[in-house]
Amino acid sequence: KAGVTQTPRYLIKTRGQQVTLSCSPISGHRSVSWYQQTPGQGLQFLFEYFSETQRNKGNFPGRFSGRQFSNSRSEMNVSTLELGDSALYLCASTTRGINTGELFFGEGSRLTVL
Amino acid sequence: AQRVTQPEKLLSVFKGAPVELKCNYSYSGSPELFWYVQYSRQRLQLLLRHISRESIKGFTADLNKGETSFHLKKPFAQEEDSAMYYCALNSLGNEKLTFGTGTRLTIIP
Repeated sequence: KAGVTQTPRYLIKTRGQQVTLSCSPISGHRSVSWYQQTPGQGLQFLFEYFSETQRNKGNFPGRFSGRQFSNSRSEMNVSTLELGDSALYLCASTTRGINTGELFFGEGSRLTVL
Repeated sequence: AQRVTQPEKLLSVFKGAPVELKCNYSYSGSPELFWYVQYSRQRLQLLLRHISRESIKGFTADLNKGETSFHLKKPFAQEEDSAMYYCALNSLGNEKLTFGTGTRLTIIP
């Protein structure tokens, strides 16, 4: 089985721009979560989707949004980028949910905001 | 609010010596605890979860609700154990993981 795939792997943006990151989960996985990883804050939960519905959301401003498609692929969008948004964005998928299965992580999309 | 604390950012242990990575949590309900590991140039992956009560790669972790701890232990460290270790908590019915800030374990040959 192919693992969780995230694109793009690296990207550079400037302040004020917006960015869209994509995540393809493992085949058969319906739950997709997003995390932001920074050296100072570690891994912080952004949101989780299951069957196209957002089930949970972390404490991030409204500039951070996401969605899930019928094939379970997910995208997250960050608008009006700020320097502090520079981070590694990790996507993870699982069959039904965190309690019932382990999370399988992608390699991440490294965003640099200049 | 749920919170996970890993007090050691860095931990160095000699090969063959015992390893203990500390994890404390705060959550008023019934938690689910996990340890995730990231080896050099690899993806973050699940090492073990408390509900399974299993030993993976010689590592064990016991949930101590009285002390709100979930320390990771291994009796004899091996060089391949060098990695970044994250403790994580999920509350029942809440589909999100709260991670600690991680401990970088280095095994000294």
